[in-house]
Amino acid sequence: NAGVTQTPKFQVLKTGQSMTLQCAQDMNHNSMYWYRQDPGMGLRLIYYSASEGTTDKGEVPNGYNVSRLNKREFSLRLESAAPSQTSVYFCASSEFSLHTGTGRRNEQFFGPGTRLTVL
Amino acid sequence: GIQVEQSPPDLILQEGANSTLRCNFSDSVNNLQWFHQNPWGQLINLFYIPSGTKQNGRLSATTVATERYSLLYISSSQTTDSGVYFCAVERGDMRFGAGTRLTVKP
Repeated sequence: NAGVTQTPKFQVLKTGQSMTLQCAQDMNHNSMYWYRQDPGMGLRLIYYSASEGTTDKGEVPNGYNVSRLNKREFSLRLESAAPSQTSVYFCASSEFSLHTGTGRRNEQFFGPGTRLTVL
Repeated sequence: GIQVEQSPPDLILQEGANSTLRCNFSDSVNNLQWFHQNPWGQLINLFYIPSGTKQNGRLSATTVATERYSLLYISSSQTTDSGVYFCAVERGDMRFGAGTRLTVKP
């Protein structure tokens, strides 16, 4: 039971290049999330997927696209990388969606992160 | 969106000391979690605590939802407790505080 896995662990891109970050979870969770963490800050939500086939914007979606490939996998794509996208990217999953409300344990579990540098 | 403030931003302790970390939030929340980010960057779930009090070994947490704050207590701190502690709240989306950086010296 690996939990949440992410690939790659490290990546260096040149401005304008594209790439896809991969995330998979084996906890049979319905919801998955992509966050970014910049130095000295907490995580900020980029996109999330409440269930297979649905995606929604988070706090900082500009410059990113996502695909919920199936229940297990959620990918994040940078079409034209910019230096401002240099960050550590975390994927997470939870059993329920962000709109579940109170009464359900909706704990999020995080992957190990991908450190991305855009030159 | 909801605002999350953590205090203090930095904390330096001697091994064996106790500490209290605080998380204030600006609106009612559905869920609240505490995480420890270790020096290798890994996020470790500490508590899922939208209300009430929980304890796990030397760590405990209390959330007073009606007054919009949560506290994380660390007793008899160890060098392995070093890292950044984050509070995260959920109300339609997920918002993290900026964290408290804890350094425990031997």
